[in-house]
Amino acid sequence: GIQVEQSPPDLILQEGANSTLRCNFSDSVNNLQWFHQNPWGQLINLFYIPSGTKQNGRLSATTVATERYSLLYISSSQTTDSGVYFCACFTSGTYKYIFGTGTRLKVLA
Amino acid sequence: DTEVTQTPKHLVMGMTNKKSLKCEQHMGHRAMYWYKQKAKKPPELMFVYSYEKLSINESVPSRFSPECPNSSLLNLHLHALQPEDSALYLCASSQGNNSPLHFGNGTRLTVT
Repeated sequence: GIQVEQSPPDLILQEGANSTLRCNFSDSVNNLQWFHQNPWGQLINLFYIPSGTKQNGRLSATTVATERYSLLYISSSQTTDSGVYFCACFTSGTYKYIFGTGTRLKVLA
Repeated sequence: DTEVTQTPKHLVMGMTNKKSLKCEQHMGHRAMYWYKQKAKKPPELMFVYSYEKLSINESVPSRFSPECPNSSLLNLHLHALQPEDSALYLCASSQGNNSPLHFGNGTRLTVT
């Protein structure tokens, strides 16, 4: 089945810094979502981005489906950005979303 | 996302207990999901209901029994669980199988 790997696995930033999180997938995908899981366990939708680029405030995402990766950019990071970031890929072969391995982000004040 | 409601938020149960987790959505979504998440791991799919019919069962042990009474409700019945079943249980819904997932806040389950 499809493998979804995220990098880096862990990231520590000072408040105000920028970062790029990567999601690599081993097979063609029909859809891709980025989520933020806060320290209380809530999974929050960030982007639904099967291809192209989207922006929402300090966050933006780009998916290059032909090259099998997606990037999540966080600019001017804040302590509330801390948590785990997951990408999830939907494939018509399995007909379900598979979650990536996650990136654990800690933003220091 | 707060449009998917899960109850209870926390549950502690013994290995001989029977309990149920509940999930409700009012977005008109036709697919509903149960995921299990262990600490420091990504969510793992357990079950998918599509149009109130079970469409995916990821070889989950029979001590977990899903139920979809109608298009807005999803239950997970628990019986004779083991301590290793302690985890965060997440419910999600989507317009269709290929549409964005919307998650509830989860139920944190501890089996003693």
